[in-house]
Amino acid sequence: AQTVTQSQPEMSVQEAETVTLSCTYDTSESDYYLFWYKQPPSRQMILVIRQEAYKQQNATENRFSVNFQKAAKSFSLKISDSQLGDAAMYFCAYRRSDTGTASKLTFGTGTRLQVML
Amino acid sequence: KAGVTQTPRYLIKTRGQQVTLSCSPISGHRSVSWYQQTPGQGLQFLFEYFSETQRNKGNFPGRFSGRQFSNSRSEMNVSTLELGDSALYLCASSLGVAQFFGPGTRLTVL
Repeated sequence: AQTVTQSQPEMSVQEAETVTLSCTYDTSESDYYLFWYKQPPSRQMILVIRQEAYKQQNATENRFSVNFQKAAKSFSLKISDSQLGDAAMYFCAYRRSDTGTASKLTFGTGTRLQVML
Repeated sequence: KAGVTQTPRYLIKTRGQQVTLSCSPISGHRSVSWYQQTPGQGLQFLFEYFSETQRNKGNFPGRFSGRQFSNSRSEMNVSTLELGDSALYLCASSLGVAQFFGPGTRLTVL
């Protein structure tokens, strides 16, 4: 079974600074997808960024980028120029590539990010 | 395009009752998945429906069930509620790989 581990329960960052959230996963599959979701206090889970395992290039979405290390099974999220609105719970998630029958997401336990003025 | 909607947003029930939660996916999305979120267990997959058929199921007792209608709207039902069923229930819809979540239904069982 696949597992996702987020070893940092809480992180804090100064506004405008950069922070990196860690995620490791365990799978025997060679092809899969990885995601970072953000859950603000309003509770709505928002997709931040996704990475296909077959792509070597790291995904980037504006201030958010990932460092995907397939051999190490590591998938960290870097937030640049942190803003107050980035404060939230961040979840790393994994899903198999078989979109037909393996659509379920396996989530990590989350990292609570605080942004300081 | 409207996002995923869930009703009701809050629900209070007592032990032994049953409850039905509703989810309307993003227009055009045919896959709907349900997740339970609790402080102790985190986010856990309940089941997924695609074209009115359950395609995937998590490790939950039979008291948890669901269905999907021809317009892709989905409902989940929990019978004989237990205190431990208190949770945030999230619905997500998908057209392909990424899943998009609704705001959730907060269920409290007293």
